[in-house]
Amino acid sequence: GENVGLHLPTLSVQEGDNSIINCAYSNSASDYFIWYKQESGKGPQFIIDIRSNMDKRQGQRVTVLLNKTVKHLSLQIAATQPGDSAVYFCAEIWRGGNKLVFGAGTILRVKS
Amino acid sequence: GAVVSQHPSRVICKSGTSVKIECRSLDFQATTMFWYRQFPKQSLMLMATSNEGSKATYEQGVEKDKFLINHASLTLSTLTVTSAHPEDSSFYICSAYRSSYNEQFFGPGTRLTVL
Repeated sequence: GENVGLHLPTLSVQEGDNSIINCAYSNSASDYFIWYKQESGKGPQFIIDIRSNMDKRQGQRVTVLLNKTVKHLSLQIAATQPGDSAVYFCAEIWRGGNKLVFGAGTILRVKS
Repeated sequence: GAVVSQHPSRVICKSGTSVKIECRSLDFQATTMFWYRQFPKQSLMLMATSNEGSKATYEQGVEKDKFLINHASLTLSTLTVTSAHPEDSSFYICSAYRSSYNEQFFGPGTRLTVL
């Protein structure tokens, strides 16, 4: 949904465990969703995307789930590694547009 | 993929001065580029959409006279923060839209600190 400048929540996981990062979006007219990873002091890096006509998409070690009924998006990371530590943002694109609207973000900390 | 660069990566300036940040798409042409601002521990907020050969479109609440955007070529957009003040200190990130991929590719960001 619209970024309201909230401080970021933190998810701490043990190395090797699976991580689930959640995101709520507000615009039911959004038809394209993207997850980004942002490491400290760097720009966002594309992880995986999904269109609104799908409810699941898998990549390498990552899976995105989309629940349009409740306007919820999640990112699952399998076998989380220390290199996965970063801030994760979901972003949506409204139908017919190309502007990204970023969610609030989640800090993922992986403990070794 | 695609490569987008920003210059400088970090800049420190005195209050009241102007700072120019460059965003370049290195291996593709981008008619549209976007400028974002990110405060510490917060999300990215879209400031404006930069269109090659025409005026930028600013988001609500962003002063166009303070944040001047020029998109003079298909590979370069510049953001000039005029009369910078400490509250303008932030991480500025650009992205370039590659239509063939229908995707935005992000630059590495510019850290601006105004003293």
